[in-house]
Amino acid sequence: GENVEQHPSTLSVQEGDSAVIKCTYSDSASNYFPWYKQELGKRPQLIIDIRSNVGEKKDQRIAVTLNKTAKHFSLHITETQPEDSAVYFCAANTGGFKTIFGAGTRLFVKA
Amino acid sequence: DAGITQSPRYKITETGRQVTLMCHQTWSHSYMFWYRQDLGHGLRLIYYSAAADITDKGEVPDGYVVSRSKTENFPLTLESATRSQTSVYFCASREQGGVSYEQYFGPGTRLTVT
Repeated sequence: GENVEQHPSTLSVQEGDSAVIKCTYSDSASNYFPWYKQELGKRPQLIIDIRSNVGEKKDQRIAVTLNKTAKHFSLHITETQPEDSAVYFCAANTGGFKTIFGAGTRLFVKA
Repeated sequence: DAGITQSPRYKITETGRQVTLMCHQTWSHSYMFWYRQDLGHGLRLIYYSAAADITDKGEVPDGYVVSRSKTENFPLTLESATRSQTSVYFCASREQGGVSYEQYFGPGTRLTVT
């Protein structure tokens, strides 16, 4: 079945630096790749997503890139701020019901 | 966010007991999901439902039962709770079709099985 691997599991950066989280997926039929942010004690919330017909998408300080050939996609956060500290999950979906999530990356932004 | 709620928010139960976690959404979303969240495993799908009276297994369905008699409700039952079912449970919903496959998560239920 589909598998999504996410790295690193923990990431610590200085405020103002960039953060990059990488994911790989196994099912070549996957065509939708969302990223969710989960603050401590809160529910996961979608922050950005990308479809397989697009190579890159940007929304203010966050961007996602997709390499279909290599089956990997990445989340880029620029000019990190303390409020970016959270757990980030990547996921892959083939267009059906099942969304497979990565194990998560805990991001610490040091002020 | 108030559109999808879960109850109870916290539950402590004993091994072998039956416990039901409730999920209610007000958006009339067709799709609903149950996930469990454990450290190191991310979110794993337990069961999902495409519509009322239509449910199917996810990645980790053993020991769980679901029903969906009404579109807005999707209860999850642990028939005989085990310690390995100690986890945080999230319910989610998603509209059918549309441009986005965004899932909207409930606030979660923290379940402890002693």
